[in-house]
Amino acid sequence: AQSVTQLDSQVPVFEEAPVELRCNYSSSVSVYLFWYVQYPNQGLQLLLKYLSGSTLVESINGFEAEFNKSQTSFHLRKPSVHISDTAEYFCAVSTANAGGTSYGKLTFGQGTILTVHP
Amino acid sequence: EAGVAQSPRYKIIEKRQSVAFWCNPISGHATLYWYQQILGQGPKLLIQFQNNGVVDDSQLPKDRFSAERLKGVDSTLKIQPAKLEDSAVYLCASTLRSGRVYNEQFFGPGTRLTVL
Repeated sequence: AQSVTQLDSQVPVFEEAPVELRCNYSSSVSVYLFWYVQYPNQGLQLLLKYLSGSTLVESINGFEAEFNKSQTSFHLRKPSVHISDTAEYFCAVSTANAGGTSYGKLTFGQGTILTVHP
Repeated sequence: EAGVAQSPRYKIIEKRQSVAFWCNPISGHATLYWYQQILGQGPKLLIQFQNNGVVDDSQLPKDRFSAERLKGVDSTLKIQPAKLEDSAVYLCASTLRSGRVYNEQFFGPGTRLTVL
C-alpha cells in the first residue's frame, strides 16, 4: 500500500525567511503528487500538483515543489514566507497503473504545521 | 460555482448512538469521496463512489459504517453504533475525471464529530 511521510510535524519560521516542508512517498510505478493547505478553521485547498511534464511545479502564491523520482520526494519550498502562510500543509499521493491511469484515491501524509512568526 | 456542501458542521453524540452526515458535491462531479481525519493525522479515505457505484471501500469499517449515493449526486455516511475512536472530522470531496487522470479533489468544510 502507498504511504506518505511528512518528515516534520511542526515548522516554526520567521517572516521573510525561506522554508522547506519535506514529503517522501513509497515507491510506485506511477504517481500523481499534490500539496494541500488547510488554513485555520477552513477546509482543505489544493496548493499545487504534479501530474506529468516538468518536475518543478509552482503555485500562484509563491510556493514551488519538485518531483524527484529517484528520491521519491516532493518537497515544498517558498523563498520568503508571510504571516498569512501560517497553516497546516498536507502532501498527498495518487497512484496510477503502468499506463498512467489514475486510481483516484489520495493517500495523505500526517501534515506539517507551518507557523510564521513576525 | 458552489463548492462541496456538508452538514451538519458539528455533531456531539454519546457512544453507541447513531449519526449521519450529508454531502452535496460540486455539480457534475461524478466521483465522490468520504475521508476521516483524526486529530493530528492526515485524512484517510473511507469510501470512493463513481456515480452511484462503490469504487473502493477497503478502509470502511463495515460493521458500523455505511455510505450510499443512491442517485449519483448527494451522499450520506452513517455510523451505527458510534465508538469513542470515531471522534474525527469527516470530509467529503468530489472530482471530475478527465481521461486517465482524476483532477484535483475539492473538499467540503467537514463535519466535526465528538463521541462522548
